[in-house]
Amino acid sequence: EAQVTQNPRYLITVTGKKLTVTCSQNMNHEYMSWYRQDPGLGLRQIYYSMNVEVTDKGDVPEGYKVSRKEKRNFPLILESPSPNQTSLYFCASSRGDNSPLHFGNGTRLTVT
Amino acid sequence: GNSVTQMEGPVTLSEEAFLTINCTYTATGYPSLFWYVQYPGEGLQLLLKATKADDKGSNKGFEATYRKETTSFHLEKGSVQVSDSAVYFCALSDAVLTFGGGTRLMVKP
Repeated sequence: EAQVTQNPRYLITVTGKKLTVTCSQNMNHEYMSWYRQDPGLGLRQIYYSMNVEVTDKGDVPEGYKVSRKEKRNFPLILESPSPNQTSLYFCASSRGDNSPLHFGNGTRLTVT
Repeated sequence: GNSVTQMEGPVTLSEEAFLTINCTYTATGYPSLFWYVQYPGEGLQLLLKATKADDKGSNKGFEATYRKETTSFHLEKGSVQVSDSAVYFCALSDAVLTFGGGTRLMVKP
């Protein structure tokens, strides 16, 4: 089954404790992206990647890192999480060229 | 830059009512337009799309027509069901994907 898999679904952590949210897709998609969804702010793009070893900042990249060492994986790294990074995070992928995005089911992160 | 504006929700309707969710956009090029739907506890799913002016996208009884003259892509459904309750996002893609803020639809029996 074609899918984007994020883990974990829920995560509660404390300020400053490094964490990684994994994302994997099995559709051989070139393009992958991370978004955060917050009430009243809709979806905002954090980082995206057009291909392996190519990553670019989105609208709200501060406090986040990503890597794209393999085509299928695109982990999101928070080196020192802060409470303002409490949010619902989505990973997505597509073939590129304006084709539709496929989304994971989300990761709800709480930073205390 | 590109932008997408959607009507603010929530939109509350009774079952079998007619639905319209307005979406307008600004873009410098000729974008593709999309509607995505997010059911509770899930990620977004593509609902329908249109790639050029006057195209009509349709799926599950929902429709939207790409209107270049009014820069709009309004979502419509003739008779909503309780199962249509979700958040709907309008989006445009012109190399970069830009989302609207989302509109929550609540359908009551």
